[in-house]
Amino acid sequence: EVQLVQSGTEVKKPGESLKISCMGSGDIFTTYWIGWVRQMPGKGLEWMGIIYLTDSDTRYSPSFQGQVTISADKSISTAYLQWSSLRASDTAMYYCVRVRLYSGFDLGYFDYWGQGTLVTVSS
Amino acid sequence: DIQMTQSPSTLSASVGDRVTITCRASQSVSTWLAWYQQKPGRAPKLLIFQTSTLESGVPSRFSGSGSGTEFTLTISSLQPDDFATYYCQQYNSFSRNTFGQGTKLEIK
Repeated sequence: EVQLVQSGTEVKKPGESLKISCMGSGDIFTTYWIGWVRQMPGKGLEWMGIIYLTDSDTRYSPSFQGQVTISADKSISTAYLQWSSLRASDTAMYYCVRVRLYSGFDLGYFDYWGQGTLVTVSS
Repeated sequence: DIQMTQSPSTLSASVGDRVTITCRASQSVSTWLAWYQQKPGRAPKLLIFQTSTLESGVPSRFSGSGSGTEFTLTISSLQPDDFATYYCQQYNSFSRNTFGQGTKLEIK
């Protein structure tokens, strides 16, 4: 069974850096894209970006380009989402997802979801 | 940038009702559309991809249709477990956000 297991809840101060993780089971990471989706409190879903672990090809939503960095370590089947300087507006639940992306397309749909990582940024 | 708009934003219905949620795209996304269900405090779950293909394990009371710019998610006979928020998502092309704003399905 495919599983995406995310790192735990984070409470940080504005200006601090943060890196959260998503570990996949099985061969999930060798042949699929992994993405990140943000959900701010009481709000809808926003896709942030996706990464192909085989070669670290990364694509960002224009809304998040330059705001976060998505990376991965295929040797440990883990994808990461990081911030260099958090803001209060980064407070949200962050989900990692497995992306089903067809050849020739820039984006796909999300068939497996991690349990979410809650990030709270407050002074 | 493709914008996805769902209607209604909130829908009140009863167990056994047939309900339809609409998702409109600001430009054609062909049939590259998915639907997700999210319950409070839980991660979203994929229901349908490519407009009408049910994900494995999804009950047959769920169905999807449409093409181009207008799509629908239909639940043929609402069950208690179906009360949740539903999101559509286009994956035809890059845009700032590929999800609709969500439709909350409430118990009447």
